[in-house]
Amino acid sequence: AQSVSQHNHHVILSEAASLELGCNYSYGGTVNLFWYVQYPGQHLQLLLKYFSGDPLVKGIKGFEAEFIKSKFSFNLRKPSVQWSDTAEYFCAVYSSASKIIFGSGTRLSIRP
Amino acid sequence: GAGVSQTPSNKVTEKGKYVELRCDPISGHTALYWYRQSLGQGPEFLIYFQGTGAADDSGLPNDRFFAVRPEGSVSTLKIQRTERGDSAVYLCASSLTPSRNTGELFFGEGSRLTVL
Repeated sequence: AQSVSQHNHHVILSEAASLELGCNYSYGGTVNLFWYVQYPGQHLQLLLKYFSGDPLVKGIKGFEAEFIKSKFSFNLRKPSVQWSDTAEYFCAVYSSASKIIFGSGTRLSIRP
Repeated sequence: GAGVSQTPSNKVTEKGKYVELRCDPISGHTALYWYRQSLGQGPEFLIYFQGTGAADDSGLPNDRFFAVRPEGSVSTLKIQRTERGDSAVYLCASSLTPSRNTGELFFGEGSRLTVL
């Protein structure tokens, strides 16, 4: 069965710091990968997605993620975070039968 | 409405009671998903509907959980003989086509269930 691991449970950064959140998945075949974000008091929303092609994908609000097939990773990055990036971030992988599996999430806190 | 609507937003019930949670997806979305999110965890897949039929119910934890979508739009998640361990936020999401094609699920705000 597919699974997704997010090893950073809580990350605390100062504004303007660079961000990298780790995501590893387990599956040997073709994958679709996603990052979802949940801002405080809001619902989950899609940040970015990878289906095929360029392994470096760009999302909203300056976020990007790189798919490294050999490492089974899809890490999320942002060069300079803002206080408004405070949220919970979920990595997700497409499984069989149109089922998306989510990781346990990383809570990001930004100090103003 | 413009987004996925879930009711009730909060439900407190006693152990052993029956609970229904409703999801009204975005108009025209044929795919509908139910997830459960416990504190400190990511969303856990429960069931997926394509139209009126359950295409994948492999995530339902046991036979106390059941979901329907009789007309291919609104869905109801039903939990019988609730247990304290059922306490969680139940999320509904919809998409225009099966999620594999677009990758984007549109989530509701969730229904927070507390079983005392």
